[in-house]
Amino acid sequence: NAGVTQTPKFQVLKTGQSMTLQCAQDMNHNSMYWYRQDPGMGLRLIYYSASEGTTDKGEVPNGYNVSRLNKREFSLRLESAAPSQTSVYFCASSVQWVQYFGAGTRLSVL
Amino acid sequence: GENVEQHPSTLSVQEGDSAVIKCTYSDSASNYFPWYKQELGKGPQLIIDIRSNVGEKKDQRIAVTLNKTAKHFSLHITETQPEDSAVYFCAAVSGANNLFFGTGTRLTVIP
Repeated sequence: NAGVTQTPKFQVLKTGQSMTLQCAQDMNHNSMYWYRQDPGMGLRLIYYSASEGTTDKGEVPNGYNVSRLNKREFSLRLESAAPSQTSVYFCASSVQWVQYFGAGTRLSVL
Repeated sequence: GENVEQHPSTLSVQEGDSAVIKCTYSDSASNYFPWYKQELGKGPQLIIDIRSNVGEKKDQRIAVTLNKTAKHFSLHITETQPEDSAVYFCAAVSGANNLFFGTGTRLTVIP
């Protein structure tokens, strides 16, 4: 039972490049989330999906898009990366209010 | 939306002493308050949570207290050990059942 799996673990992009962060959970949870973590700012919600087929904006959605591919998978896409998107990205899934996090993707945009 | 403030940002204690981390929240409708521990290079992990119908909850060396009138809640760790060293985050649920996190406390337990 792997829980929440994120790929890749590390990524370096040049400004303007695009990429997709992948997330999969094997706990049969309905809800999934994408957060970014920046020094001194805690975790901020980018997008969430309350169930398969639905997605909603969180606190900081600008510059990102998401896809809830099926119940297991929730991807985050940066269409044109900017240095301000340098951060650590965490995916989570939840049952009721309890959230389970992946190990994170450390992204640097040069 | 919800605003969660967390203090202190860093905390150093001697092994065996107690550590207390405090959080305040703004949305009086919030009714679920989890605490997460994040070790270096890992994702946050839930260590304890409390719902608004109770004032205190304990799990071995860890306890959380909630004061809904004052809108604050605290994490208490007793008999601290070096493996308790980590970053701790408080959070509160609000709105569409989403979590709002505090800015974190880096706890260092000195052997």
